[in-house]
Amino acid sequence: AQSVTQLGSHVSVSEGALVLLRCNYSSSVPPYLFWYVQYPNQGLQLLLKYTSAATLVKGINGFEAEFKKSETSFHLTKPSAHMSDAAEYFCAVSESPGNQFYFGTGTSLTVIP
Amino acid sequence: GAVVSQHPSRVICKSGTSVKIECRSLDFQATTMFWYRQFPKQSLMLMATSNEGSKATYEQGVEKDKFLINHASLTLSTLTVTSAHPEDSSFYICSARVGGSTDTQYFGPGTRLTVL
Repeated sequence: AQSVTQLGSHVSVSEGALVLLRCNYSSSVPPYLFWYVQYPNQGLQLLLKYTSAATLVKGINGFEAEFKKSETSFHLTKPSAHMSDAAEYFCAVSESPGNQFYFGTGTSLTVIP
Repeated sequence: GAVVSQHPSRVICKSGTSVKIECRSLDFQATTMFWYRQFPKQSLMLMATSNEGSKATYEQGVEKDKFLINHASLTLSTLTVTSAHPEDSSFYICSARVGGSTDTQYFGPGTRLTVL
């Protein structure tokens, strides 16, 4: 069975501050992990994905995430928040990139000017 | 990257009517498509897995007679919400799987269904 827990349904950061969105997973098989961003009334946009290669994954818009097997975590970070980063972020796990995804409950990021 | 479209993007209907939502893979063939629904301020929940040429596999708790899924071709899957009610109002998102060596999937932009 697979599941994802996102700690913090709402995160607020100041513009220019570090963004840290937490994601912990549970998986009975080596996981594939994903971060998606969703803007209001829009679909999902892939930020980055971990597919068993490098543990530090760099994505679009300056985001990156590190896969830590010992901590079963895949936290999303960005060194300096921008106003345009305000959105809903979803972490997801899958047995493979082509199988069904299990999504976390999402974290709403607010960026304060 | 590969593109998945959904039509319509928004639909408002009266209670008791049926609504069809299309999911198309525009530049690749998708043997498998997934249908998710997302309630306001909540996460995406898988409703069903649709394989081309065969019956869809529904997740526990999803009424297959209410949410009819047809995957008649390698580029098109449809979700029909039959006899829609206000509680069916939601954001419906599909994803399409690209198999082979890449084996990944791409999400559609979603369809906002509002049942009055």
